[in-house]
Amino acid sequence: ETGVTQTPRHLVMGMTNKKSLKCEQHLGHNAMYWYKQSAKKPLELMFVYSLEERVENNSVPSRFSPECPNSSHLFLHLHTLQPEDSALYLCASSQRFLAGGYTGELFFGEGSRLTVL
Amino acid sequence: DQQVKQNSPSLSVQEGRISILNCDYTNSMFDYFLWYKKYPAEGPTFLISISSIKDKNEDGRFTVFLNKSAKHLSLHIVPSQPGDSAVYFCAANAGGTSYGKLTFGQGTILTVHP
Repeated sequence: ETGVTQTPRHLVMGMTNKKSLKCEQHLGHNAMYWYKQSAKKPLELMFVYSLEERVENNSVPSRFSPECPNSSHLFLHLHTLQPEDSALYLCASSQRFLAGGYTGELFFGEGSRLTVL
Repeated sequence: DQQVKQNSPSLSVQEGRISILNCDYTNSMFDYFLWYKKYPAEGPTFLISISSIKDKNEDGRFTVFLNKSAKHLSLHIVPSQPGDSAVYFCAANAGGTSYGKLTFGQGTILTVHP
């Protein structure tokens, strides 16, 4: 396996369900991200984990709960979602640089298409 | 308020001609700009980037131009090929972090006709 792998690719859930999205990166990177792409809207940054610590939470509702157990894996736990949360959820990874500015090149997975009924 | 805007939702070009995709931004703190390309059912893939200290960067058929005074950048694809048909996203990164914190535009759908 290479690159960034996301599972499941498609998920349909009811508003009372609990589900999780999984992301695994095989690039040796140490920063991982969740982005959301809703219909007709730009990709929106949700969370950033850098060296396994959450460094960004972009005002995301608590019904989305990220988890980063190690530098290769990232989860997004979903609980009591709303229909408007239906979107494409993209995981990405990058190499964190400890000194100097960062250029922002991210490597994305193929996304998990979530539908909330 | 959208800080990165791609005002053309779509662009149609004949094979062999030039494709020009445009992007405008409002945040003066952005210091690195990137273009990503996305095919259906795939994640975005990095295409080309430019630092704010430059005004042009070239990679094969792809050239990105940056006009800081106008807060505008553009991607030129010459010659365009049918395989270039995809959604193109402009993105910008504000310095000061050691990780990527990209702000994306809405995307432009490029269709290259044979």
